[in-house]
Amino acid sequence: EVVMTQSPATLSVSPGERATLSCRASQSVTSNLAWYQQKPGQAPRLLIYGASTRATGVPARFSASGSGTEFTLTISGLQSEDFAVYYCQQYNSLFTFGGGTKVEIE
Amino acid sequence: EVQLLESGGGLVQPGGSLRLSCAASGFTFSSYAISWVRQSPGKGPEWVAAISGSGGNSYYADSVKGRFTISRDNSKNMLYLQMNSLRAEDTAVYFCAKRDGAFDVWGQGTMVTVSS
Repeated sequence: EVVMTQSPATLSVSPGERATLSCRASQSVTSNLAWYQQKPGQAPRLLIYGASTRATGVPARFSASGSGTEFTLTISGLQSEDFAVYYCQQYNSLFTFGGGTKVEIE
Repeated sequence: EVQLLESGGGLVQPGGSLRLSCAASGFTFSSYAISWVRQSPGKGPEWVAAISGSGGNSYYADSVKGRFTISRDNSKNMLYLQMNSLRAEDTAVYFCAKRDGAFDVWGQGTMVTVSS
């Protein structure tokens, strides 16, 4: 099983600042990596697929990079609606999710 | 509008059974693999099971293998999850999710509580 590890667990950021989230895979997942945003009481929402491609309707302030085992999600100019939990997921070998990073208001 | 709508959750005793359903609309259902993903309170999502578009191939997480069965009826645009021998640790919100590479469309979820 591919284990996905996210860091940090919690990120405190002020509105308007940049947030950088990390995700590491226990083995290469090539570019089969997605990022999801989840708000309380809601289903996860796909933000990024293919490690760096924004899903339909996702604002340009969300960007992502990486391949193999190391991945990054960057949110530039945090807006109030961006405070949420973010999960990475690999879909190279079945599917596994990371433990999540909570982005909270500093 | 592409939509998935789960139903069938509820309270069940340990060792009991439950069948979840997921109604799909707004896309060619038979063209896409669909998964069940669950999320226990305060935890991250956990993939549970997947089925190919034709229904000919299915896959399971080790935690549910031998107890859960995923199936689909493409004539009705419906996905199912038969859950047997339920345990307390199966308590979670269960989502169905359409796969197009990643999981691009999710339902709103249905809560399953396993407790005596």
